[in-house]
Amino acid sequence: EPEVTQTPSHQVTQMGQEVILRCVPISNHLYFYWYRQILGQKVEFLVSFYNNEISEKSEIFDDQFSVERPDGSNFTLKIRSTKLEDSAMYFCAIRFPGGRLKGTQYFGPGTRLLVL
Amino acid sequence: GQSLEQPSEVTAVEGAIVQINCTYQTSGFYGLSWYQQHDGGAPTFLSYNGLDGLEETGRFSSFLSRSDSYGYLLLQELQMKDSASYFCAVLSTGGFKTIFGAGTRLFVKA
Repeated sequence: EPEVTQTPSHQVTQMGQEVILRCVPISNHLYFYWYRQILGQKVEFLVSFYNNEISEKSEIFDDQFSVERPDGSNFTLKIRSTKLEDSAMYFCAIRFPGGRLKGTQYFGPGTRLLVL
Repeated sequence: GQSLEQPSEVTAVEGAIVQINCTYQTSGFYGLSWYQQHDGGAPTFLSYNGLDGLEETGRFSSFLSRSDSYGYLLLQELQMKDSASYFCAVLSTGGFKTIFGAGTRLFVKA
């Protein structure tokens, strides 16, 4: 199973501030996903990303959010002007291309974001 | 719209077999995955069905019927450590978008 790390593990920020969440997979040629999970609720898809482009995004992923792969390894999620309701666990996930592997995503440990 | 339905809770005893059902209504269906999540942890991949039929991986099996928009996860020889939340997730749009169900909380009793 591939290793996916996320930093920071916890982030506390003031409402209106910008946060950047990072995901570091160990392999290249991957598809990337960002999800969020509000405490006690289901996992919600935010965005998928491949080859330096957004592949698909949800209704949640509005202009407040952006993703990029700035240095070819890290994969970042930026949340501009955070709101109280952005408080959640944010998970990065990766998958490998092709066939049956499309259904297999490997999740990082998550970043718990708290907006005060 | 897109929706997935799964039971909110299931309770079973150690050593038993439990089935968690999932019905879905989505556009651009590509496949159905199952994930396990322990409290405070990240989702962990269990099984995937891209075609109709049964997929078996150790104590876990998953089934899909695309004509019925229905799938299930079967857990055999239940252990206490299987107590967790189980999510079905539909892949759509060529696998680029994943919609999760609300999750089924499984309680395994001794």
